Amino acid sequence: QKEVEQNSGPLSVPEGAIASLNCTYSDRGSQSFFWYRQYSGKSPELIMSIYSNGDQEDGRFTAQLNKASQYVSLLIRDSQPSDSATYLCAVKAGKEYGNKLVFGAGTILRVKS
Amino acid sequence: DGGITQSPKYLFRKEGQNVTLSCEQNLNHDAMYWYRQDPGQGLRLIYYSQIVNDFQKGDIAEGYSVSREKKESFPLTVTSAQKNPTAFYLCASSEGRTPQETQYFGPGTRLLVL
Repeated sequence: QKEVEQNSGPLSVPEGAIASLNCTYSDRGSQSFFWYRQYSGKSPELIMSIYSNGDQEDGRFTAQLNKASQYVSLLIRDSQPSDSATYLCAVKAGKEYGNKLVFGAGTILRVKS
Repeated sequence: DGGITQSPKYLFRKEGQNVTLSCEQNLNHDAMYWYRQDPGQGLRLIYYSQIVNDFQKGDIAEGYSVSREKKESFPLTVTSAQKNPTAFYLCASSEGRTPQETQYFGPGTRLLVL
């Protein structure tokens, strides 16, 4: 059973601080990693995707991948109250599994103004 | 205006009743997916289709059925065999060509049992 683990939170940070969200995965054959943001009652929207070891930055967001440790993280700089949401980590299984996405349960982030 | 539409937004099911959730996309995507989300849980894959007239079971297919007669449409039927259908149902699509591609989600249908 392929698994993706996230701390459910809530993670509370003050406005302007850095929020750090973490995710571990069990399938060593995983090649693609995604972070989705989901507001309450809404559908997930893609924030970042990462495929290679290291960091990938997009505006206030940085995704970090360490395949040896099977660890993915998302950093949100200058956190805003509008960043308050559930963040879902998703890992794409290898081709032999039909390239299916496996989702973690999500981390609730609360940014306090 | 390209995207994925799901209808209805809310659906009520009576005991023993089959209900069908609609999913349509105009993104010209080959692959389509159905997920179920329960409170405090991640998304679980019900069925997926990588091409017209073909689909595969996901992790929780029991009590559900799908069809893929057209590229743009992937309806999900929740049958009476699904004993705990109350959940948020999400349809997604992707190009279906590379492992790196993104899945895009529709707005979801919330199913409630009367």
